[in-house]
Formats: sequence, structure tokens, C-alpha cells
Amino acid sequence: QQPVQSPQAVILREGEDAVINCSSSKALYSVHWYRQKHGEAPVFLMILLKGGEQKGHEKISASFNEKKQQSSLYLTASQLSYSGTYFCGTGSGSARQLTFGSGTQLTVLP
Amino acid sequence: EAGVAQSPRYKIIEKRQSVAFWCNPISGHATLYWYQQILGQGPKLLIQFQNNGVVDDSQLPKDRFSAERLKGVDSTLKIQPAKLEDSAVYLCASSFSDGHEQYFGPGTRLTVT
Repeated sequence: QQPVQSPQAVILREGEDAVINCSSSKALYSVHWYRQKHGEAPVFLMILLKGGEQKGHEKISASFNEKKQQSSLYLTASQLSYSGTYFCGTGSGSARQLTFGSGTQLTVLP
Repeated sequence: EAGVAQSPRYKIIEKRQSVAFWCNPISGHATLYWYQQILGQGPKLLIQFQNNGVVDDSQLPKDRFSAERLKGVDSTLKIQPAKLEDSAVYLCASSFSDGHEQYFGPGTRLTVT
């Protein structure tokens, strides 16, 4: 079942902060975050694993509440380059298949 | 390091025709994925290979879609016959066996008229 992302879209000014949420109705093994710019391929941002391990790029942080099956992506001091659509992908087993949400469109204005 | 290669980048066909997409993953990546991304939606996994074996193809419409990964490297995805609703971007991705970080190719934009 597809995870639910919120908000669907957000507009902010350079330097402002944003939070994107992802929730699932299934027990999760992992949550993955990707960013996709218009006309481009998704790019990996971060993975959060059951048990607390995290791996990621850039100055982006995230949390994973295993009990609530929820994850949040925190974008602080946003830059113009942060604009794009953010997808969370959830993995519910050891086979590593991901189910992606419908995305959150983030627009950073100067 | 070379990324995931896909071809063609764009394809326009008429319904009921067939089409094939090719993917070359990053060297050393054992796992290969094919996703379908319809405009405005997230990628949807069609099939996942581990080396040249299928791990998951539960969302692959097997009456019209087929995929293979020969020798555990390159892969092809075929649609025969195509329907209007197959219009989408087809993304290939690869990763190491742990699947923690998937690298996506540029995709093939398919338009079925």
C-alpha cells in the first residue's frame, strides 16, 4: 500500500525551513527519501532503517518513528537548489522492494 | 563513475504496437529495478532483479510486459501490445545487494497514441 505524503506542495523563501511527512499503514523496515527535479531522474537523499541506522547526503536530516510508521524529512535553511519533488519510498521487508508516495512538490523562491 | 544508462530517451508509438527499452546498470550493482512513473505520481516498481533472477514482479502486467536480465548485467523491458495507459516514463535503477541507495537512469519517456 502506497505511503501518504504531506503536504502535497509547499512554497518557501530561501533560508526558510520545511518539513515533509510520510506515513504508512504497514510495518516498515526502511524509509528512503529521493528528490526529483523536473525532467530528471530521482536522486537519493537518505535512508532510515529500523533500529536507528541512517545514511544520507547533503545537509538534510530526517526522523523515523517505527511505532507510528512515520518519517519526516527536515529541510533547514533552504536553498534554491532544494526545489523539486520529494518522494518517500517505504520498504516493509528484507527483499528491498520500495513503494513510493505520490510526492511533495517543494518550490524555493529567492 | 558512469551512471545508469538507458535508451531510447523518447519513444512514440501507436497503440497495439510493441516497444523495447534497454538499461545498463552501474558496474558491480547486483540489483536492477524497472519502474513506471506516470505524470504527477511516484515511481511504481514493475520488476526487480537480483543478478539475473527475478526477486519481485508482482506489479508487472505479465499479459503485455516482459523483462529479462541476461548474464546479470544489462536488462530489457518490453511491452507488447502497448495501450494508451502505458504512456509514462520508464525508469531503470540499480543498487548493491542491500538496496540502500538506488541510482536511477535518465528514463525513457513513452507516448502511446
